[in-house]
Amino acid sequence: AQKITQTQPGMFVQEKEAVTLDCTYDTSDPSYGLFWYKQPSSGEMIFLIYQGSYDQQNATEGRYSLNFQKARKSANLVISASQLGDSAMYFCAMREGGTALIFGKGTTLSVSS
Amino acid sequence: EAGVVQSPRYKIIEKKQPVAFWCNPISGHNTLYWYRQNLGQGPELLIRYENEEAVDDSQLPKDRFSAERLKGVDSTLKIQPAELGDSAVYLCASRLSGGTGGFADTQYFGPGTRLTVL
Repeated sequence: AQKITQTQPGMFVQEKEAVTLDCTYDTSDPSYGLFWYKQPSSGEMIFLIYQGSYDQQNATEGRYSLNFQKARKSANLVISASQLGDSAMYFCAMREGGTALIFGKGTTLSVSS
Repeated sequence: EAGVVQSPRYKIIEKKQPVAFWCNPISGHNTLYWYRQNLGQGPELLIRYENEEAVDDSQLPKDRFSAERLKGVDSTLKIQPAELGDSAVYLCASRLSGGTGGFADTQYFGPGTRLTVL
C-alpha cells in the first residue's frame, strides 16, 4: 500500500489565488513527521513546511500552511496568493520512526498570469 | 550557511562505464542520505549514514552500487558498471541528528546530479 498518496498529478491556478495540494498518508506509528518540498525545474528539493504528529496547531510558514487532519490522515498544503514563481513540482513526504523520508509521486503546480 | 553541495550537476556516460557522485553536507549535520529520483517520481532512499556508519542500506543495489563516508563528513556514491536503468537524478540530503521533532527532523537537499546512461 502507498504510504503517501498525492492524487492530483497537476493543478492549475491563477496568480494571487489560493491553492490546496492534497496529501494523505498511512502509518501506524504514533510518532511521525510530515513535510512538503518544492522542486522547481532546476531540480533542487526546497523544504517548505513541517508538521509533527503531536503538534496541536497547523504549521504555517509565510504563504504556506499545512492543513493537518490527523483522524483523516490528511496533510494538505495550502499556498495563499499564488505567484508565478510557485510553478513547480510539490512533494509530500513522511518520516516515521527513525527512517528516511517516504515521498509521494508529486503534484505539478502551474501558476498563470 | 552553505547548503548541501553536490557534484557534478550533470553526467552523461555510456552503459557499463563507472560513475561517481560527491556530496558535502551542511556543516554539523551528522546524518547523510542518498536518494534516487526517477523521472516523474518522488525520491527513494538508497542509503543513510549516521556519521561514518551506513545504518540503512537495504535499498542500495549492492552488486553495482557502493557508497562511503570515510570521515563522517562528505560522501561518495559510485555505480560500476552503470546500466541504462540507472538514468535518474541522485540527490544527497543531510539532517541535524540527535533532535526529535520540529526542524531537527528536516532534511535539506542538494541540487542533485542528473545521470544519463546511453
